[in-house]
Amino acid sequence: GNSVTQMEGPVTLSEEAFLTINCTYTATGYPSLFWYVQYPGEGLQLLLKATKADDKGSNKGFEATYRKETTSFHLEKGSVQVSDSAVYFCALSLRDYKLSFGAGTTVTVRA
Amino acid sequence: GAVVSQHPSRVICKSGTSVKIECRSLDFQATTMFWYRQFPKQSLMLMATSNEGSKATYEQGVEKDKFLINHASLTLSTLTVTSAHPEDSSFYICSARQLAGHYNEQFFGPGTRLTVL
Repeated sequence: GNSVTQMEGPVTLSEEAFLTINCTYTATGYPSLFWYVQYPGEGLQLLLKATKADDKGSNKGFEATYRKETTSFHLEKGSVQVSDSAVYFCALSLRDYKLSFGAGTTVTVRA
Repeated sequence: GAVVSQHPSRVICKSGTSVKIECRSLDFQATTMFWYRQFPKQSLMLMATSNEGSKATYEQGVEKDKFLINHASLTLSTLTVTSAHPEDSSFYICSARQLAGHYNEQFFGPGTRLTVL
């Protein structure tokens, strides 16, 4: 079956620190990969995506590269801000459009 | 951008009653809507896929008679939790796939917090 494993949190960082959240996947097929973010009290928002191997998704200073050889899609940001405090979900989807989510990683950035 | 709304945002009900949650795509047509359930500090679990004008497809382990889904138009899907019990208390989230939009992109509603007393 399809599944996503992401780094367990919570993660606490200081402002301007480097953030990495690991995500690996298993899939029967060639998935599209996503990172979603859920800010406190809000719904999920698409942060970035990649649809084929070696694609790099980027948005708001976040980046993730689709690595087929390691079945990974790690999220990185070079300098986090307090406003980046949220829950981050890695997800995959095949052609049926169903999303399979990882467990979510809670990130807290302190000023 | 594509906006999805849910109503109500919070609902508290007594055990044994039914609760209806609406999911609307406000500025686009959605052939497919998805319903998820999220437990505290856990991930989203897909409950069912709803296609306009046809019966919903439920994931394994989801009781279709308990969670009734109707997708009557290209902008509205409803989830009815029938004879709700405390174990049905959860955060319910819908998403909608745009009719002619990006491949594999879904837009999420803000969620509905259901508390069954």
